[in-house]
Amino acid sequence: GAGVSQSPRYKVTKRGQDVALRCDPISGHVSLYWYRQALGQGPEFLTYFNYEAQQDKSGLPNDRFSAERPEGSISTLTIQRTEQRDSAMYRCASSLYGEDDTEAFFGQGTRLTVV
Amino acid sequence: GNSVTQMEGPVTLSEEAFLTINCTYTATGYPSLFWYVQYPGEGLQLLLKATKADDKGSNKGFEATYRKETTSFHLEKGSVQVSDSAVYFCALSAQGAQKLVFGQGTRLTINP
Repeated sequence: GAGVSQSPRYKVTKRGQDVALRCDPISGHVSLYWYRQALGQGPEFLTYFNYEAQQDKSGLPNDRFSAERPEGSISTLTIQRTEQRDSAMYRCASSLYGEDDTEAFFGQGTRLTVV
Repeated sequence: GNSVTQMEGPVTLSEEAFLTINCTYTATGYPSLFWYVQYPGEGLQLLLKATKADDKGSNKGFEATYRKETTSFHLEKGSVQVSDSAVYFCALSAQGAQKLVFGQGTRLTINP
C-alpha cells in the first residue's frame, strides 16, 4: 500500500480480554517496529523485526505481550489478559532497511482503551 | 542507557515568530538524530535528520544541527506559520537499527 496501515484505529476492550493489533507495512520494507505511546509522552520501543525474524523484544513490558510477523510482511501485536494500564496508542513503523539512519514511516496508530 | 530530553511545552507563538525547541540527548557511541512531527489526526512523520557531528538537517524551513560537544539537536525555524502547529518529537537511534528513543514531545501552537 501507499503507507503503513494499522487496524483497528480504535479498540475498546474489557479488562481480561485478549486483543490483536494489526500492522501492514509499506510493501518491500524489511524492518517493522512496534511502539507504545502514553498520553503526553513520546513513543516507547516495544519490539522489531527484520523480515520474519524478531530481532529485539526488549521493550515488551511483560509476557502478556507478544508479536509476530510470520511471512515477513503483516505483523500482529497481541496483548493477553488486558489490564487498564495497557491503555495507550500503539504505533507501528516500517523502514526499507534496519540501519539507524534510514527513515521510519509510521502508521496512524491504534488507540487501545481497556475498561 | 540512551535518552532524549526536550523542551517542555506547550509552546504558543504568533505567526512569523522565531522558533526554537531544545533537545539534548544521552547516548553511547554516535547516534543518528531525528525530529519527527505529528500533525493533528495524523501519524508521525520524519521532519529532518542528521547522522554525524556537525551535520545540519533541514526541511520545510526547519533546521537542526548535530552538536556532539553539547549533545544537542535543537530545532529552529526563522518564521513560523499557522500550519506548523503540531507536536514535535526529538529522537535518536543507535546500534545499527531504527530502535528510536523519543523525547516526550513539544506541542506547538501558532496563532495568526
